Amino acid sequence: DGGITQSPKYLFRKEGQNVTLSCEQNLNHDAMYWYRQDPGQGLRLIYYSQIVNDFQKGDIAEGYSVSREKKESFPLTVTSAQKNPTAFYLCASSIVASRVETQYFGPGTRLLVL
Amino acid sequence: GQQLNQSPQYMFIQEGEDVSMNCTSSSIFNTWLWYKQEPGEGPVLLIALYKAGELTSNGRLTAQFGITRKDSFLNISASIPSDVGIYFCAGLLHKAAGNKLTFGGGTRVLVKP
Repeated sequence: DGGITQSPKYLFRKEGQNVTLSCEQNLNHDAMYWYRQDPGQGLRLIYYSQIVNDFQKGDIAEGYSVSREKKESFPLTVTSAQKNPTAFYLCASSIVASRVETQYFGPGTRLLVL
Repeated sequence: GQQLNQSPQYMFIQEGEDVSMNCTSSSIFNTWLWYKQEPGEGPVLLIALYKAGELTSNGRLTAQFGITRKDSFLNISASIPSDVGIYFCAGLLHKAAGNKLTFGGGTRVLVKP
């Protein structure tokens, strides 16, 4: 089946620790995105990538880093610089960046701080 | 940055009711999107609107792109229990530097006790 997978479903982070969230898609989409969702709020864009080996900061990139070495994969690292990392993280992909309205979302990863 | 105000924040439905929610913005958008999110899952696109004044249906759902391009509404007709979830609006302003969606805060649809 084609789709987007995110792992793990739940992730616990200790103070000062970096953690990496996985996002894989087999839809052959060029563009991929990372969003953060907090209770009672809409989704906010962290980073996006229009093509392999390219990515741009979104609205709330501070404390996060990404890489796009393969078309299928767009991992997100939550660094120790992110002081309030507890949130629901959603990965998405779209055919191309110019068709962002076609984006599909993954099932999400919930990050909790110990 | 751009802000989308979505209301109501919470909505209680009774089976068979017609309900409505809306989004307003201080800025114009070229595209309006409506998503539904189930607990613990990612949002799923329900309806996409591309032209001011456009009225589009998807089953029991109907959405309209406001004439001013600063608002949109979503109607659910004849509510059923599986309509429960969080509904998000999102606006898109196409830019040469890249397209980014702006999301509303969501309307949480719950069943009346």
